[in-house]
Amino acid sequence: GQNIDQPTEMTATEGAIVQINCTYQTSGFNGLFWYQQHAGEAPTFLSYNVLDGLEEKGRFSSFLSRSKGYSYLLLKELQMKDSASYLCAVPASGGSYIPTFGRGTSLIVHP
Amino acid sequence: DAGVTQSPTHLIKTRGQQVTLRCSPKSGHDTVSWYQQALGQGPQFIFQYYEEEERQRGNFPDRFSGHQFPNYSSELNVNALLLGDSALYLCASSFSLRLAGGVETQYFGPGTRLLVL
Repeated sequence: GQNIDQPTEMTATEGAIVQINCTYQTSGFNGLFWYQQHAGEAPTFLSYNVLDGLEEKGRFSSFLSRSKGYSYLLLKELQMKDSASYLCAVPASGGSYIPTFGRGTSLIVHP
Repeated sequence: DAGVTQSPTHLIKTRGQQVTLRCSPKSGHDTVSWYQQALGQGPQFIFQYYEEEERQRGNFPDRFSGHQFPNYSSELNVNALLLGDSALYLCASSFSLRLAGGVETQYFGPGTRLLVL
């Protein structure tokens, strides 16, 4: 089975930087996804990491450490529209690849 | 390029009734997965359809069933509705990499919000 842990809620100020952590336990690792989900809307794909290190995409970056079972999503120059839930997901092993999602981290950005 | 679409957007049913939710995948995608998302939780996998067959199934009772059509669109059916079935139902589509043994990136539709009274 898989176990994913994320903080429930975080708050940050507009213009600041925030790091959302995700720790996972899985029997076989097939990468890690980050999704953004605004309230009442569908999750939208942000990133997929399969190798260790930091991958940058504009204001958003995602980091992975396979040996530590750890990932984080880094959001820079926060904007009000970044207020959303951020979901960490890990595909199953054994050929299934169905992602198991964490509960999500609700990020609140205030002025 | 049309993304994943779902219908209806909202639905209200009473206990014991049956419901059918519909999904059209993103253009070029052949695989459809269904998820249930309760308030404050992450999406929970229900099942996945590929080539008109159920390929994977999560931990959901037989009251949850589905179908995939030749045009890759899909339906989710829930029988004998319970209050606990109230949730956001998400459809996600992807292009199958099963033969290549790869992880598929899923793209989600806007969801159907089901309320069971």
